[in-house]
Amino acid sequence: AQSVTQLDSQVPVFEEAPVELRCNYSSSVSVYLFWYVQYPNQGLQLLLKYLSGSTLVKGINGFEAEFNKSQTSFHLRKPSVHISDTAEYFCAVSLNSGYSTLTFGKGTMLLVSP
Amino acid sequence: GAGVSQSPSNKVTEKGKDVELRCDPISGHTALYWYRQSLGQGLEFLIYFQGNSAPDKSGLPSDRFSAERTGGSVSTLTIQRTQQEDSAVYLCASSLVGGGGVETQYFGPGTRLLVL
Repeated sequence: AQSVTQLDSQVPVFEEAPVELRCNYSSSVSVYLFWYVQYPNQGLQLLLKYLSGSTLVKGINGFEAEFNKSQTSFHLRKPSVHISDTAEYFCAVSLNSGYSTLTFGKGTMLLVSP
Repeated sequence: GAGVSQSPSNKVTEKGKDVELRCDPISGHTALYWYRQSLGQGLEFLIYFQGNSAPDKSGLPSDRFSAERTGGSVSTLTIQRTQQEDSAVYLCASSLVGGGGVETQYFGPGTRLLVL
């Protein structure tokens, strides 16, 4: 079975600073990787996903993530954050063959302050 | 509608009562998923529907939990004899075809359940 570890439950950062949210996964087979964002009192919204090809994936709102197979990581980055990026971020994995649902990490709360 | 909708948005109930949570997926989406989001537990998969059938119920935590989907559209998650540990946000998602991990799942805003 696959699993996802998000190492930081909270990441405080000042506005306009860079940020990296860490995600590591475990799986015995190849996977697809996703980052979702949840703004307060809202559902989850897809930020970006890695299916195949280039390991650097660009998403919405200026976010990007890099798939590193050797380190089994899929860290999320943004060079300059805004107050409006304050939200909870979830990394998720699914198997890339056959039927698979999403397995989520426990989430990282990004807190952007002025 | 344009997105996944869920009702009610909030539900407060007493321990031992039954509750029904409703999900309206995006029109035309054949796959529908229920997840539970508990404090400190992240999102847990509950059940997956392909059309009206549920090929994967592996995440339902006990036989007090059940779900159905009718007409390939609306789904209802029922929790019988609610317990305090059932308190959580219940999220519904839908995707176009389902069955594989490559599809994007679109999430509703959730139902926040509080069992007193």
